[in-house]
Amino acid sequence: AQSVTQPDIHITVSEGASLELRCNYSYGATPYLFWYVQSPGQGLQLLLKYFSGDTLVQGIKGFEAEFKRSQSSFNLRKPSVHWSDAAEYFCALSGGYNKLIFGAGTRLAVHP
Amino acid sequence: DADVTQTPRNRITKTGKRIMLECSQTKGHDRMYWYRQDPGLGLRLIYYSFDVKDINKGEISDGYSVSRQAQAKFSLSLESAIPNQTALYFCATGREGGTDTQYFGPGTRLTVL
Repeated sequence: AQSVTQPDIHITVSEGASLELRCNYSYGATPYLFWYVQSPGQGLQLLLKYFSGDTLVQGIKGFEAEFKRSQSSFNLRKPSVHWSDAAEYFCALSGGYNKLIFGAGTRLAVHP
Repeated sequence: DADVTQTPRNRITKTGKRIMLECSQTKGHDRMYWYRQDPGLGLRLIYYSFDVKDINKGEISDGYSVSRQAQAKFSLSLESAIPNQTALYFCATGREGGTDTQYFGPGTRLTVL
């Protein structure tokens, strides 16, 4: 079955600290993988995506993610978190026919 | 102007009422989607449409119906709303081919009393 797991429901970091949000997936082939961010009261904004090639992908707002086939993971990272990064983050995979399967989300809080 | 718009942005209704949520897009995409978001469950697909004549059920279509009035418009209806349909609803668009990227509207917060 196709699925996405985000093990951390809630993460709190200090401003300026590094960040890693975990995402694991289950899929029979190499999927298209995405990270979206949802700021309070807003829709979902695409941060980055992986579909082939270099396993380290760069996104907007200083985020990057690394695809690791052996671990079925696509973790999101940022070297230095800003207060404006507080939001909910969703990992998703494309399960065919352009349909996205989402994880449950990780809510990020940033302490000053 | 936003590429994907949803109306209304907020709606409170009563059990048993019929309600329609509307979505319009100016991205020129053929594919449109309706999702609902519930805390701790992420987003789940309700219906999707690849063009005006192609509409498909998603993971959780029971209690919902849709209408694709034009390439740019995709409406979601709750024929008889119930409290467990209280959620945040998102419309999204995508284009054929490419990398399956979807673009989301701002969402409609629906409360069913």
